[in-house]
Amino acid sequence: DAMVIQNPRYQVTQFGKPVTLSCSQTLNHNVMYWYQQKSSQAPKLLFHYYDKDFNNEADTPDNFQSRRPNTSFCFLDIRSPGLGDAAMYLCATSRDRLGSSEQYFGPGTRLTVT
Amino acid sequence: AQSVSQHNHHVILSEAASLELGCNYSYGGTVNLFWYVQYPGQHLQLLLKYFSGDPLVKGIKGFEAEFIKSKFSFNLRKPSVQWSDTAEYFCAVKHSGAGSYQLTFGKGTKLSVIP
Repeated sequence: DAMVIQNPRYQVTQFGKPVTLSCSQTLNHNVMYWYQQKSSQAPKLLFHYYDKDFNNEADTPDNFQSRRPNTSFCFLDIRSPGLGDAAMYLCATSRDRLGSSEQYFGPGTRLTVT
Repeated sequence: AQSVSQHNHHVILSEAASLELGCNYSYGGTVNLFWYVQYPGQHLQLLLKYFSGDPLVKGIKGFEAEFIKSKFSFNLRKPSVQWSDTAEYFCAVKHSGAGSYQLTFGKGTKLSVIP
């Protein structure tokens, strides 16, 4: 049974055309994360929500935004995708932000920018 | 900033061979350590984790890992691999304590097991 669901699994967008990726969870976790993973690289945290509190990583470009309208859903908005934004985008959740708290990952959305 | 190094990019083994994947991290304080696995076409799944106590941790599917604090290492092992272990393996580290949400990953090691 899927616990962290990402739609779509594959997304193609044009250079500069806004795109939204979606994530939902059935775990009722407080924290939701978005990671970017480029080919042969480690997943890189973009930002996370702790409940309704948005926390941006210092080096995340302004081009990337996020919304969390309720506990279950979180969206990643890329305002003006560039070729360098082509990557796998991973959504994850955790019960809290403690160091011991396990993160649960969705299957990812592979974004292609043409 | 903490970092995680996985020294092997791609490992190829025959079935029944023993596996050891290296992982080193740079943070000097108390850490929580994780190994995640990603099977082809699937999501990242937790294989095992270390928080405290016995430095030898056993996970799912016969995997284990040993935390060696003096070496800043958390190597993953399996005595006898199977074809179904073909996957990508990621080591990850978090600080201990509240607010330590950031999970820092290594670049991953692809394991190919030949029948």
